Amino acid sequence: DSGVTQTPKHLITATGQRVTLRCSPRSGDLSVYWYQQSLDQGLQFLIQYYNGEERAKGNILERFSAQQFPDLHSELNLSSLELGDSALYFCASSATWAGPPATYEQYFGPGTRLTVT
Amino acid sequence: AQKVTQAQTEISVVEKEDVTLDCVYETRDTTYYLFWYKQPPSGELVFLIRRNSFDEQNEISGRYSWNFQKSTSSFNFTITASQVVDSAVYFCALSSNDYKLSFGAGTTVTVRA
Repeated sequence: DSGVTQTPKHLITATGQRVTLRCSPRSGDLSVYWYQQSLDQGLQFLIQYYNGEERAKGNILERFSAQQFPDLHSELNLSSLELGDSALYFCASSATWAGPPATYEQYFGPGTRLTVT
Repeated sequence: AQKVTQAQTEISVVEKEDVTLDCVYETRDTTYYLFWYKQPPSGELVFLIRRNSFDEQNEISGRYSWNFQKSTSSFNFTITASQVVDSAVYFCALSSNDYKLSFGAGTTVTVRA
């Protein structure tokens, strides 16, 4: 058990819909990362937050957004869903650090499997 | 830009054989970190090891060992005396002058009893 929790575990929804994925980092970790894992793209970094502030953006679509709340949990919002958004979405957290590179190992949650039909 | 290449797509071995996973990375930065993660059939990603660019000392941790060579930009990982529970997808990852992990495509290891 990594200490990172994600809900829900599975999500099935229809095209055009909007969903919210939730993540709670390990106790004490201020950094939260979101990754997408799909068969064709592999593991792709989406976005990172540090203590409530967005720090880095990767290959995140404009239809996707995220935020980190004062209690450090994070939510990833996916809207206008398409079939191609079906994937495993991971949240990870890491210990405090001052800047790049990401020196500390990231601990991953169990993931949310999103299926868009 | 940084890139991680895992040329081996799949490896199948019989229990107790050693397994070596290859990883080649590209980065222009002089400070970087390398990681290995394991993804068992249950789906979670499990951190295994981390190595920074300043430390080329190779180590052994239980049945795991790694060989980091800056001259060839390689960070290979070996499982000694493999067990069925080692069956998983193994990912090599690189962190360079930004905040993210860049992952390789993964190598699927199947250990047969």
